[in-house]
Amino acid sequence: DAGITQSPRYKITETGRQVTLMCHQTWSHSYMFWYRQDLGHGLRLIYYSAAADITDKGEVPDGYVVSRSKTENFPLTLESATRSQTSVYFCASSDQGALSGYTFGSGTRLTVV
Amino acid sequence: ILNVEQSPQSLHVQEGDSTNFTCSFPSSNFYALHWYRWETAKSPEALFVMTLNGDEKKKGRISATLNTKEGYSYLYIKGSQPEDSATYLCALYSGGGADGLTFGKGTHLIIQP
Repeated sequence: DAGITQSPRYKITETGRQVTLMCHQTWSHSYMFWYRQDLGHGLRLIYYSAAADITDKGEVPDGYVVSRSKTENFPLTLESATRSQTSVYFCASSDQGALSGYTFGSGTRLTVV
Repeated sequence: ILNVEQSPQSLHVQEGDSTNFTCSFPSSNFYALHWYRWETAKSPEALFVMTLNGDEKKKGRISATLNTKEGYSYLYIKGSQPEDSATYLCALYSGGGADGLTFGKGTHLIIQP
């Protein structure tokens, strides 16, 4: 089915472990984004990508790594998870960057214990 | 970091009444303003993308206006229905080489039957 899918939906990991959140879209949208959602904050941009092999930092990139070897995939890796990275993570894609509406995935709820 | 403010933070409205809420943003370096509806347990869904001062957009009973010179946008809901209950997010794109949106914290709308 066409769409944007995130996996896993829920994840519990221990402090210091590496964890990768997956995002896959089927529209061949050029732009993809990772946001985190925390109480008291709006959605905050972690990283974004304008095309395959092009990525850039957003507002809160520290502790995260991204890659985009294929247009349809945009994984987000927490290299050494910390409790402050407990959050809900949303992936989004867009045809024309911020000049067209974003389509969001269902989110991944990550708990770091 | 851009400051995108939404007010009120939450709003209770009787079914059938009309309502509106506000998104304020820095008027300099404006490129686009987005509105999203975010229902509980779902992902944000794009409503409008507005780029021109004086823009008015409409989708069913929901409409939005934009004033880029004074830095605000209004979202209007006419004849509120229970299915309109959601959090409404606005987000600003200010260009400058960064393609991500800066989101406000949202207005949480509850429609009371």
